[in-house]
Order: sequence, then structure tokens, then C-alpha cells
Amino acid sequence: DVVLTQTPPTLSATIGQSVSISCRSSQSLLDSDGDTYLNWLLQRPGQSPQLLIYSVSNLESGVPNRFSGSGSETDFTLKISGVEAEDLGVYYCMQATHAPYTFGAGTKLELK
Amino acid sequence: EVQLVETGGGLVQPGNSLKLSCATSGFTFSTAWMNWIRQTPGKRLEWLAQIEDKSNNYFISYLESVKGRFTISRDDSKSSVYLQMNNLKEEDTAIYYCTPTGMDAWGQGASVTVSS
Repeated sequence: DVVLTQTPPTLSATIGQSVSISCRSSQSLLDSDGDTYLNWLLQRPGQSPQLLIYSVSNLESGVPNRFSGSGSETDFTLKISGVEAEDLGVYYCMQATHAPYTFGAGTKLELK
Repeated sequence: EVQLVETGGGLVQPGNSLKLSCATSGFTFSTAWMNWIRQTPGKRLEWLAQIEDKSNNYFISYLESVKGRFTISRDDSKSSVYLQMNNLKEEDTAIYYCTPTGMDAWGQGASVTVSS
């Protein structure tokens, strides 16, 4: 199974600070159809996960453009340009290129 | 508005069974590939099963560790997907979510606790 390694496990930030989360895959996530099925999810405290970014860099509808995703093959990054209070929670990367779908362990974003 | 409502969770003893239901609305369920994903008490997310749509002959895939114990099914006439869980173990304790394959919609989840 594909292992997704997220770093850091915890991130402390002040409001307005820009932060990045890394997600490294144990194998390439480039699919034979040319797409790369690497998504980013946010789970706010007490809520269900929600999709932020799909296929590496595509912003889900309604997600603020301070969120951006980048990367290829095995190395991916989620960047938040100017953290806001509503961004606090746990961020997960997940891959849907290889069965079974797998998730990273999560990165908890908290206020410094 | 897309909605997914998972029901059927509860407290069960090891070895018993439980069937989860997920009622959906707000999207074209009949063409959606549907998944069950669970979140453990330690907050780890784990994909369990997927059922494709009619055009793909309702092809089903499972996480190896639940194959033979869990069964996913769907009823397009009710826009619902189900997860039959047999021979439950304490490590199956989790919140269970259904979601379409794009992961772009999640319900509130159904809590399952397996304990004697």
C-alpha cells in the first residue's frame, strides 16, 4: 500500500503567517491517465473532513484562494498564505491513484 | 445542497454485526462511485470499500483487512449506500463516513463502538 508521510505533525502559527505542509508518497502518484490523484482535506475541531484541494493543485469550490497545492510524483505541498483563525484543525493528504486509497497521518495546525 | 447522512451506528459486542446506511441527496447518486471511510479514535483515516456505478457493473473493492467481513452495497432507487459489518472486532471502533470518490462531500459520520 502507498504510504503518505506528512510533516510536520504539528504546526504552530500566528494569524497572518504563511505556512506549508509536506506530504511525501512511497511511490509515484502519477496515474496512467496522466492525472495525479493527491488531495488535501481539512478537519476542523468537532467536524467531519472537508475537501480543500484535489489533483494536487485544484481548489475545491468555496475554498479561499489563500490555500494552494503543488508538487508532483512523490512530493507535495499545501501552502496557506496568511493563516486565519478558521484554518485551525488537522490537515490530511490522501491519494486515490493506487488501490487502496490511503491517507497521511495528519498535520495539526494550532495557534502559537 | 449535497447531503450525506450516515445512520446505524452504536455499541456492539465483539463478534456481532451491524449495518450502516448512508442516505444521500443533492447530487446524481446513480453515477457516483461511493466509498466508506472510517476514522479511528486516534484520528487516523482509513478507506474501507468502494462501489462503482451501474455502467461499471457496480464493481466493488475492499481494503484487504476487512475483506470477507464487510460488504458494501447500494440502492440507486433510494440514493443510498450501505455497509454490512460482520464479526466485529474492538479495532473496528471508529466513526464511519460515506463519501463519493471525489471526497468532496462528507456526512457527520456514524459512531461504532465494539466492546464487551
